[in-house]
Amino acid sequence: GQSLEQPSEVTAVEGAIVQINCTYQTSGFYGLSWYQQHDGGAPTFLSYNGLDGLEETGRFSSFLSRSDSYGYLLLQELQMKDSASYFCAVRDSGNYGQNFVFGPGTRLSVLP
Amino acid sequence: GAVVSQHPSWVICKSGTSVKIECRSLDFQATTMFWYRQFPKQSLMLMATSNEGSKATYEQGVEKDKFLINHASLTLSTLTVTSAHPEDSSFYICSASPSRGNQPQHFGDGTRLSIL
Repeated sequence: GQSLEQPSEVTAVEGAIVQINCTYQTSGFYGLSWYQQHDGGAPTFLSYNGLDGLEETGRFSSFLSRSDSYGYLLLQELQMKDSASYFCAVRDSGNYGQNFVFGPGTRLSVLP
Repeated sequence: GAVVSQHPSWVICKSGTSVKIECRSLDFQATTMFWYRQFPKQSLMLMATSNEGSKATYEQGVEKDKFLINHASLTLSTLTVTSAHPEDSSFYICSASPSRGNQPQHFGDGTRLSIL
């Protein structure tokens, strides 16, 4: 079956660095994406890894190891506005490789 | 960047009413759009895949006659919740990506549906 695992909650203080891990088991794999969702809002795209390695986008970086079926999202210089839920999502082989399976989400709380 | 527009953003209506939600890709064509449902503090659950010009593909457990999907053009998909009941109250979100291949999904702003 298909499954993704993430920690349910993470708490950190402003200015700190946080890593949110994601492990996956899916039928086919076409990349790992990360999305941020604030309470009451829709998910917004943060980062995508199609190949192994690190992708950096400002304060956010994402890493993928396909051999380990593992990835992580790294948030640096945390700000209060980063408090949100973060979802990893894997594109699997369904529907010509466009199907997305979402992880359960990690709720990040940034404290002053 | 790719923009997906969803309308309405909030609906409150009586039990038994049918509600239509629109999802539009504003600056790209989308042969496929996805409809998700999200309950509070939970992840997104895929309901169905909307395919332009053909029937939608529904996930297991999702009633086809309850959640009608129409994808009549390359930029518009609609989800109609027929004869809605309080248990249908949820956050409904659509998504699309510009093309097949390694493109991320872009989400609409979601529709919060409350059935009284």
